[in-house]
Amino acid sequence: DVKVTQSSRYLVKRTGEKVFLECVQDMDHENMFWYRQDPGLGLRLIYFSYDVKMKEKGDIPEGYSVSREKKERFSLILESASTNQTSMYLCASSVEGAGGPSQETQYFGPGTRLLVL
Amino acid sequence: SQQGEEDPQALSIQEGENATMNCSYKTSINNLQWYRQNSGRGLVHLILIRSNEREKHSGRLRVTLDTSKKSSSLLITASRAADTASYFCAEGPGGTSYGKLTFGQGTILTVHP
Repeated sequence: DVKVTQSSRYLVKRTGEKVFLECVQDMDHENMFWYRQDPGLGLRLIYFSYDVKMKEKGDIPEGYSVSREKKERFSLILESASTNQTSMYLCASSVEGAGGPSQETQYFGPGTRLLVL
Repeated sequence: SQQGEEDPQALSIQEGENATMNCSYKTSINNLQWYRQNSGRGLVHLILIRSNEREKHSGRLRVTLDTSKKSSSLLITASRAADTASYFCAEGPGGTSYGKLTFGQGTILTVHP
């Protein structure tokens, strides 16, 4: 079974802090994704990566950066956390399908619920 | 941006009944996927149906796709209390190779024992 793990289930940070959210997958997937989920807004894509050291902006990249130094690990960084970044953060991975990163099943981690005070 | 819209937003049924959830989308797709999310957890993939398929089954789940109406439905037969969850459709867009999977806002299903 594919396993996607996220470093924390719950996280509380202060405004202005630098926050690192880590995601690790164990199935040698090429593609990895970071989403945030908010009530009434659904899942929104922040960034995705289709290869080591490669990244693409999603729909809401502002205030975030990412790092993919190894194939199995994709980190989301909040450079200076703000209260409007309080959310549920979901990491996902998928194989590289013929149609590109978004054409195959995505496997999700359990999520990190981040509260920024 | 395109976004699937699920209907209804919430559905409440008794155990043993069937549950039907619908998803509409606006532009061409390569595939449409359905996911389930238990409260406070990550999403779990249920079924992927490609644009050249019309129906797909997996256990008690049946998904249909009507590309002429740009809609899909998820049917859960003989529902159980454990099916209580949020269900999301996600569009895998057609056209460009690196299109992004776009999720709808979900249907909250409650199955009463």
